[in-house]
Amino acid sequence: AQSVTQPDIHITVSEGASLELRCNYSYGATPYLFWYVQSPGQGLQLLLKYFSGDTLVQGIKGFEAEFKRSQSSFNLRKPSVHWSDAAEYFCAVGAQGGFQKLVFGTGTRLLVSP
Amino acid sequence: NAGVTQTPKFRVLKTGQSMTLLCAQDMNHEYMYWYRQDPGMGLRLIHYSVGEGTTAKGEVPDGYNVSRLKKQNFLLGLESAAPSQTSVYFCASSPPGARGYTFGSGTRLTVV
Repeated sequence: AQSVTQPDIHITVSEGASLELRCNYSYGATPYLFWYVQSPGQGLQLLLKYFSGDTLVQGIKGFEAEFKRSQSSFNLRKPSVHWSDAAEYFCAVGAQGGFQKLVFGTGTRLLVSP
Repeated sequence: NAGVTQTPKFRVLKTGQSMTLLCAQDMNHEYMYWYRQDPGMGLRLIHYSVGEGTTAKGEVPDGYNVSRLKKQNFLLGLESAAPSQTSVYFCASSPPGARGYTFGSGTRLTVV
């Protein structure tokens, strides 16, 4: 069964600084990988996804993530954080195929300081 | 706007009461899901459906029932609410393939 680990519960970054949120997954084959963002009181919004091809994927809001098979990782990055990026971020893994039953990590809460 | 709509948005129940959470999607998605979100535990799958008339258990199904009589609707029922079911409930839907889920805005349920 697949699983996801997000080792950082909270991260604080200064506005304008770079960001990297860590995600490690466990899955026996090549997985589908996703990053979602949740603003307070809102549902989850898809930031980006990986399922094949180029291991560096671009998403919305200036985010990108890199799939590293050798490290079983799919870290999320942004070169310059804005105050509006403060939210909770979830990594998720799913099996390849038509039906997606995603397993989510426990989330990382991003705080942005002035 | 197209998407996933959950009703109600907030609800307070007394222990032992029953209720149904409604999820409706207008994207013609085959698959639908109910998750619960608890602090420090992320999202955990309660039940899911791969098509009209079909449902299956997820990771934490106890105390919940579901029905999908129409493709666009997925109902989550609590027959006898318990304080342990205090949570935020999210419905999601997805088409086949690696397109990810579309989530509703959630239902915050408190059981006292």
